[in-house]
Amino acid sequence: QKEVEQNSGPLSVPEGAIASLNCTYSDRGSQSFFWYRQYSGKSPELIMFIYSNGDKEDGRFTAQLNKASQYVSLLIRDSQPSDSATYLCAVTTNQAGTALIFGKGTTLSVSS
Amino acid sequence: DAGVIQSPRHEVTEMGQEVTLRCKPISGHDYLFWYRQTMMRGLELLIYFNNNVPIDDSGMPEDRFSAKMPNASFSTLKIQPSEPRDSAVYFCASSPGTTDTQYFGPGTRLTVL
Repeated sequence: QKEVEQNSGPLSVPEGAIASLNCTYSDRGSQSFFWYRQYSGKSPELIMFIYSNGDKEDGRFTAQLNKASQYVSLLIRDSQPSDSATYLCAVTTNQAGTALIFGKGTTLSVSS
Repeated sequence: DAGVIQSPRHEVTEMGQEVTLRCKPISGHDYLFWYRQTMMRGLELLIYFNNNVPIDDSGMPEDRFSAKMPNASFSTLKIQPSEPRDSAVYFCASSPGTTDTQYFGPGTRLTVL
């Protein structure tokens, strides 16, 4: 059974702090990794994707991938109250890279 | 582009009734995905299509669930008969190709009484 694990949270950080969200996955063959953000009552929206080991930065967001440890993380710098949401980690499950398995998500709360 | 369109947005029905959820993907996207989201199980992939052909339906929970994609701009997910445990938010998503971003529709909140 291929799995993606995330701490459910809530993760609470003060405004301006760095939020660190973590994800582990079970399938060593996974090639592509995604972070989605989901506001309460809304649909998931993509924040970042990463394919290679190392860091990938996009504005205040940094995704980190370590395939040897089967670990993906998302760092949010200068956290804002508008970042308060559930963050879903997703991993491809097949060779074609078309099917995703999602973690159950980590709820982030940023206090002002 | 209007994005992925789903209807209805909310559906309340009684156990045993047939439920049909509808999805219009983004024009030009070759892949269409149906997901179900609950608090207990999170977001689960039910089935996905490539160029209107079902590729993987291993996530469909039971024979009560069926999905079709008669053309590139329309897909349905049908539950017959519905049961209370089918209550969830059902999302449709589309993407232009493999490993590409999946764009989610607003979802259909299904309540089976």
